[in-house]
Amino acid sequence: AQSVTQLGSHVSVSEGALVLLRCNYSSSVPPYLFWYVQYPNQGLQLLLKYTSAATLVKGINGFEAEFKKSETSFHLTKPSAHMSDAAEYFCAVSNPRDDKIIFGKGTRLHILP
Amino acid sequence: DSGVTQTPKHLITATGQRVTLRCSPRSGDLSVYWYQQSLDQGLQFLIQYYNGEERAKGNILERFSAQQFPDLHSELNLSSLELGDSALYFCASSVETGGIGNTIYFGEGSWLTVV
Repeated sequence: AQSVTQLGSHVSVSEGALVLLRCNYSSSVPPYLFWYVQYPNQGLQLLLKYTSAATLVKGINGFEAEFKKSETSFHLTKPSAHMSDAAEYFCAVSNPRDDKIIFGKGTRLHILP
Repeated sequence: DSGVTQTPKHLITATGQRVTLRCSPRSGDLSVYWYQQSLDQGLQFLIQYYNGEERAKGNILERFSAQQFPDLHSELNLSSLELGDSALYFCASSVETGGIGNTIYFGEGSWLTVV
């Protein structure tokens, strides 16, 4: 069965600092990987996704993620944090053998002024 | 606005009762997914329908059931409610199934409080 592990339920970074949110996946076949963001009192919206094309994926709001098969990772980064990035971030996995899209438990990102 | 509509937005009900949550997917989307979000369990996949048929099942309790109608809207029925069922229930939709890497689009959720 596929699964996702997000390391750190809370991450705090200073405004202007590098954002790094970690995601490791488990899948028996090549996966599709996603990062979603949830702002307070809203649904989730897609930041970016990996679907077996380029391993470095660029998303909205300056975020990007790199698929590393050898490390089974899909970490999310942003070079310079902005106050508006404060939200909860979810990593998700799916694969061609399974219609499920499984989400990690989420990482809440706090931005310090 | 994702285009996925969920009603009601908020619902308060008593233990033992039954409620129905409704979801209208984005225009043209054939798949509907239901998720439960709670503080302790995170975002849990419940069930997925594709064009009226059940395609995948997750951690859905036997007290819960869902269906997708010919017009593609979906309903999640929660019965014999317990305090622990209090959560935010999300509906999401996509054009095809999740297994081909489709982006899924989330509604704003239905807050259920069981008292």
